[in-house]
Amino acid sequence: GQSLEQPSEVTAVEGAIVQINCTYQTSGFYGLSWYQQHDGGAPTFLSYNALDGLEETGRFSSFLSRSDSYGYLLLQELQMKDSASYFCAPIRGAGSYQLTFGKGTKLSVIP
Amino acid sequence: DTGVSQDPRHKITKRGQNVTFRCDPISEHNRLYWYRQTLGQGPEFLTYFQNEAQLEKSRLLSDRFSAERPKGSFSTLEIQRTEQGDSAMYLCASSFWGQDTEAFFGQGTRLTVV
Repeated sequence: GQSLEQPSEVTAVEGAIVQINCTYQTSGFYGLSWYQQHDGGAPTFLSYNALDGLEETGRFSSFLSRSDSYGYLLLQELQMKDSASYFCAPIRGAGSYQLTFGKGTKLSVIP
Repeated sequence: DTGVSQDPRHKITKRGQNVTFRCDPISEHNRLYWYRQTLGQGPEFLTYFQNEAQLEKSRLLSDRFSAERPKGSFSTLEIQRTEQGDSAMYLCASSFWGQDTEAFFGQGTRLTVV
């Protein structure tokens, strides 16, 4: 079967660091992507991990441990504009690259 | 390139009517995906094309749903005999084979069935 868990809501202060965890069970797991979605907007790609370890892209970093079926997204120097929903999306199946989204984590950044 | 575009952005229809949505992917992208998203949920995979071939369909895609990508460029998603449960945001995404780990999403078509 397939399952995906991430916290439903997180609140953090502007300028702080926040970590959004993701655990997954995905048959044919290929890699883990992260997407950001503002209210009323389209999901936008943030990061992708195919191998274990940390990937850094500016203020955002993403980590993957394939043996633990676990990953996280780290957001540094939080800005108000980072208030959005964040989805971890395991990619299933080399070939179709089908993204599987969970319910996402709603991040609220407060002053 | 203007990105992935979807038309219409909003559609209100009466239950039982047929609706058709269009998606124009980024021009060089040969993979195209349809997703459905309801309030408070993440996008749910519906179907996927590589060029003009529909390679995978979700169990969510009932017989009332059909998607085409006749020339390997734009795609249409048709819903026949709409039901209130079809009310959702329908998202299209595209990617380039070999760089599929990054999908580009359109703004979506919001369908309301009354």
